[in-house]
Amino acid sequence: GAVVSQHPSRVICKSGTSVKIECRSLDFQATTMFWYRQFPKQSLMLMATSNEGSKATYEQGVEKDKFLINHASLTLSTLTVTSAHPEDSSFYICSARASSEGDLQFFGPGTRLTVL
Amino acid sequence: AQSVTQLGSHVSVSEGALVLLRCNYSSSVPPYLFWYVQYPNQGLQLLLKYTSAATLVKGINGFEAEFKKSETSFHLTKPSAHMSDAAEYFCAVRRGFGNEKLTFGTGTRLTIIP
Repeated sequence: GAVVSQHPSRVICKSGTSVKIECRSLDFQATTMFWYRQFPKQSLMLMATSNEGSKATYEQGVEKDKFLINHASLTLSTLTVTSAHPEDSSFYICSARASSEGDLQFFGPGTRLTVL
Repeated sequence: AQSVTQLGSHVSVSEGALVLLRCNYSSSVPPYLFWYVQYPNQGLQLLLKYTSAATLVKGINGFEAEFKKSETSFHLTKPSAHMSDAAEYFCAVRRGFGNEKLTFGTGTRLTIIP
C-alpha cells in the first residue's frame, strides 16, 4: 500500500526559532501533498496544498510567510514554521495524493510541535 | 461548499455490541465520502470510501457504511465492537472526481467498555 512518513514525529523548540517538518511518500510519487493542523480534540484543518514544482496554495487565514512549504520532488514536501510561537503548538499531519490509487490521500503519522 | 456533521463527539459501547457512528453531509454535487480512524498520536487511516458505486460500502476491520442520499447520511457501523476499535473516527467529504480537498467532520471518540 501507499505509505507516507513524517519527520520528526515530535519536536520541542523555543519561541522565535524555525522548525522544518518533512513529509515523504515512500513507495509512490505524489505530485500533490496536503498539510493539515489538528488542535487537541479537534478535527483536521487544511492549511495548504503543495504541488511539486510550483507554489503552494494556502487556505484562507493561513499565513504563507509563516508556514513555508516546499515541494521540491515527487516524494518530498517540507513545511517550515518560521519564528514559531506557543500558539503554533499543534499536531501537523501531511497527506499525499496517490494517482495510482484513485486519487486517494494517504496520511503521514503526524508531527507534534511544542513551542515553549 | 461541502460539509459534514458528526453527531456525538463521544460514543461508548460495550465490547461485542453494535457500533454506530453518525455522519451527515451537505454537498451541492454528488460527493465522495470517507471514514478515517485515528489512533492516539498517529495519522489517519482510511477505513472505507464511497465514490458513487455501491451504496453499501465494506471497509477494513469489519466496518461498513451505507450511503443514503435521501437522508444525506453516511453512518459507520460494525456489528460487534472489539477493544481495539477504541479510537477517534472522522467522516470526510470530497466534491468528487477532480477535486482533491477533503473536508473533515469534528470527529467521534469511540470508547469500548470491557
